[in-house]
Amino acid sequence: ILNVEQSPQSLHVQEGDSTNFTCSFPSSNFYALHWYRWETAKSPEALFVMTLNGDEKKKGRISATLNTKEGYSYLYIKGSQPEDSATYLCALDTGTASKLTFGTGTRLQVTL
Amino acid sequence: SQTIHQWPATLVQPVGSPLSLECTVEGTSNPNLYWYRQAAGRGLQLLFYSVGIGQISSEVPQNLSASRPQDRQFILSSKKLLLSDSGFYLCAWSGGSISQPQHFGDGTRLSIL
Repeated sequence: ILNVEQSPQSLHVQEGDSTNFTCSFPSSNFYALHWYRWETAKSPEALFVMTLNGDEKKKGRISATLNTKEGYSYLYIKGSQPEDSATYLCALDTGTASKLTFGTGTRLQVTL
Repeated sequence: SQTIHQWPATLVQPVGSPLSLECTVEGTSNPNLYWYRQAAGRGLQLLFYSVGIGQISSEVPQNLSASRPQDRQFILSSKKLLLSDSGFYLCAWSGGSISQPQHFGDGTRLSIL
C-alpha cells in the first residue's frame, strides 16, 4: 500500500498571507506527481502534473516544486485570496495505467 | 473539448438494494477511466480503472463491480448495497500519457439507509 501524506491537514490564513503545503511520497515508486484543487460542491480541478526532479511549475499565484529523490513536493500560494479556499490534493502516479494514489488533502480556508 | 458526465448527483438507497452509477465521456476516444470513492473523513480511494472496452481492474476488494460496455461509458454497480458503501463517488478520465492530468465528473453522493 502506497503512503502519500499531506500536511498540514487544515490551514486557516488571512487574505494576503502566503502559505505552503507539503506532499510526501515513496520516492522508489515515483512516475509523476499531480496536484488538484477541490472546491466545495465542485469536482477536483487539475493544477499541475510534475514529472522531473527539480521541476517547478507556476499558475498565477500558485506554484509547486518537486524533489523525487527525497520524495516530496511543496505547493505555494502567494497572497492568498478567499477564492483560494479549497482542499488541495496531491496524488502519486506510479506508471500503471496512470492510476493515482491520493493523499488526504490539505483544507485551506482564507478569510478577509 | 472533452466533457465528462456523471449521474445521478445524489442517491439515497436502502441496504440490500442494487446500484448503478453511470459515467460518460465526450470529445475523446479510448480514454482511461476511473472510479474513486471518498468515504466520510477519508481521502479519495481508487476503486476501479479501465484502459479499454471490457477491461476492468479492481484496486480493492469490495461489494462493488464496474463495467465498460462502450469506449466512453463506465458503470459502477452493486447487487446488494451495504451501509459501508455510503460515500462520495467520482468518475474520472485521462488520456493515459505521463503528463496528462485526470478530469473528474461532478460526483454522486450515495447514502445508504
